[in-house]
Order: sequence, then C-alpha cells, then structure tokens
Amino acid sequence: DAGVTQSPTHLIKTRGQQVTLRCSPKSGHDTVSWYQQALGQGPQFIFQYYEEEERQRGNFPDRFSGHQFPNYSSELNVNALLLGDSALYLCASSGGSNSGNTIYFGEGSWLTVV
Amino acid sequence: AQKVTQAQTEISVVEKEDVTLDCVYETRDTTYYLFWYKQPPSGELVFLIRRNSFDEQNEISGRYSWNFQKSTSSFNFTITASQVVDSAVYFCALSGTNTGNQFYFGTGTSLTVIP
Repeated sequence: DAGVTQSPTHLIKTRGQQVTLRCSPKSGHDTVSWYQQALGQGPQFIFQYYEEEERQRGNFPDRFSGHQFPNYSSELNVNALLLGDSALYLCASSGGSNSGNTIYFGEGSWLTVV
Repeated sequence: AQKVTQAQTEISVVEKEDVTLDCVYETRDTTYYLFWYKQPPSGELVFLIRRNSFDEQNEISGRYSWNFQKSTSSFNFTITASQVVDSAVYFCALSGTNTGNQFYFGTGTSLTVIP
C-alpha cells in the first residue's frame, strides 16, 4: 500500500523563479492538503484540494497556487519566489472510509531559494 | 481562534527514562480532534494518534501513552522507557469542525534520547 509520495525531494531555485512540486496521495485517498514548514516551526496550512477544486485556503498569498488532477494527484506552484519561501513543503492526503479526518504526510520537498 | 502550544522546545533524556511531552490547545469548537505526529530527520510526519473531543479516555499503545484532559485543555504524550529510536521532533495538532479541514500545529518538541 503506497503512502503519500512527493517529488522532487530537494531543489534549489533562484529568487524570482517559479517552482512546481508534485504529490500523489495515499491509495484510497481523494483529498490533498499542502503545508509549508519553515525551519524550527510547525507546518502551516496552505490549501486543500478535493474533487479538483480548492476547498479551503490558509493565509498565503496568491503566488501560491495549486491543482488537483482526476487521479487525485496534486501540484503546488509558487511564483516569484522569495528567500522566505525556503522551507519544507509537505503534502498530506486524507479521505476514504478508514482515515476519518486524519491526514497522512509524505516526506516533503525541501525548497531552497537563493 | 485555534492555537496549539508546545512550551518545551527541546528535551534530552537518557535511554530508558520516561519522558512527557506537553501540549496545550485553544479552540472555540465544541467538536474537535487532537493529534500527535512524529517527525524524524527525513522530514515525513508520522501519524501517532487521533483523539476526538468527546473521548477523554486515556490511551496506551506499547511504550506510548496519551493523557487528554479537557478541563485543562491539554493532550500530553508520555514515552515510557525511552529508546534512541524515539529521538525526533514531535508535533501536537488540532483540527476543529468549524474551521474546516485545516490542521493547526504547535511548534514542536525536539526529543533527544541519549544512549
């Protein structure tokens, strides 16, 4: 039973560039959430996708956008990167009959903006 | 407002000692869920437990136990006879029915178990 998978694992971008991060949810899950975790902090909610639509959004600027595909996988896009966007980006999935509202995380994508 | 506070930033214990990680939460929801996650250096947050607001029964799973007390808005986590493999950052999280699907995390407690 595959868990949540994310790619790439690590990446380095230059300030002003754009980045796309990818996530495949746990088997049987239909909902994907994205979180940003800065060094030494807890994860912060970016947004959640369900049925290919953004269902809820946290306090993040419009530079952060996403997409969910028919197979439930998801992408997180960040435009006009700032140094402060350097963080671990975590994808979490939920849904299905057994998970309740528990969310399960992938290993994350470490983004460094230079 | 939803808020989770983990006042202990770092804890070090010697192997086989017991250790308790504290979590205090704030919510206006009458129905909510509390969680603990473990984050090893690899980065993945590993789910440990979920407790809903109507179930104050304490839970034990092997060396792990959780103490939920609504009267003090606390959800503490105890590791008995700690092992080196327990070294990680532990996060407490809150999800409320009136705030949709968003999880609110504390800042984490970094636990180091010294052999």
